[in-house]
Amino acid sequence: GAGVSQTPSNKVTEKGKYVELRCDPISGHTALYWYRQSLGQGPEFLIYFQGTGAADDSGLPNDRFFAVRPEGSVSTLKIQRTERGDSAVYLCASSPVPKLHVSEQFFGPGTRLTVL
Amino acid sequence: AQSVTQLDSHVSVSEGTPVLLRCNYSSSYSPSLFWYVQHPNKGLQLLLKYTSAATLVKGINGFEAEFKKSETSFHLTKPSAHMSDAAEYFCVVSDRKYGGSQGNLIFGKGTKLSVKP
Repeated sequence: GAGVSQTPSNKVTEKGKYVELRCDPISGHTALYWYRQSLGQGPEFLIYFQGTGAADDSGLPNDRFFAVRPEGSVSTLKIQRTERGDSAVYLCASSPVPKLHVSEQFFGPGTRLTVL
Repeated sequence: AQSVTQLDSHVSVSEGTPVLLRCNYSSSYSPSLFWYVQHPNKGLQLLLKYTSAATLVKGINGFEAEFKKSETSFHLTKPSAHMSDAAEYFCVVSDRKYGGSQGNLIFGKGTKLSVKP
């Protein structure tokens, strides 16, 4: 079946511009996560959705970052007034509702954001 | 708070020799631990996971890891490296701060594995 997809795969923008990054999770997965991976680092958590609501947004670095998931499926990560430090690979992951233990998160290929 | 430390940023082995990637964790709870692999220009893929069942966990592609609570370690091993194993490997702990079984993942900084012919 189809995995997690993310669009665009690459995004180049200028400092100060607004960008939107899209994530299509695996069908039926209720949990959706956004992570950010800077060069040479492991991914860092940004935000977690359970259904339509953001269950935990403690990883968002500041109020320029916002994410939505209005129908409990597709999610959009929005970054306002981009800065060069926002350049990174943005990863999306989804997982099903776990029955017993922590369930595996399935990752998309990521969107590479470059802010010039 | 949960955290993981990957003790080596880069490991180089010859094809056919054993692989050892080291990871130590810190957790306030009984942890759920994972190893993920990231090949160049590809998404993260789960190799294996530990969730308080058997302490020796077998994963895909011949990898396995042993959970040692006394040493707070979760090292990844493979008896014989293959060229296709060359990739970045991440040790990961699940932050179960919600009190239930779901949680965001906390990644180590990664270990780059090189395999020489």
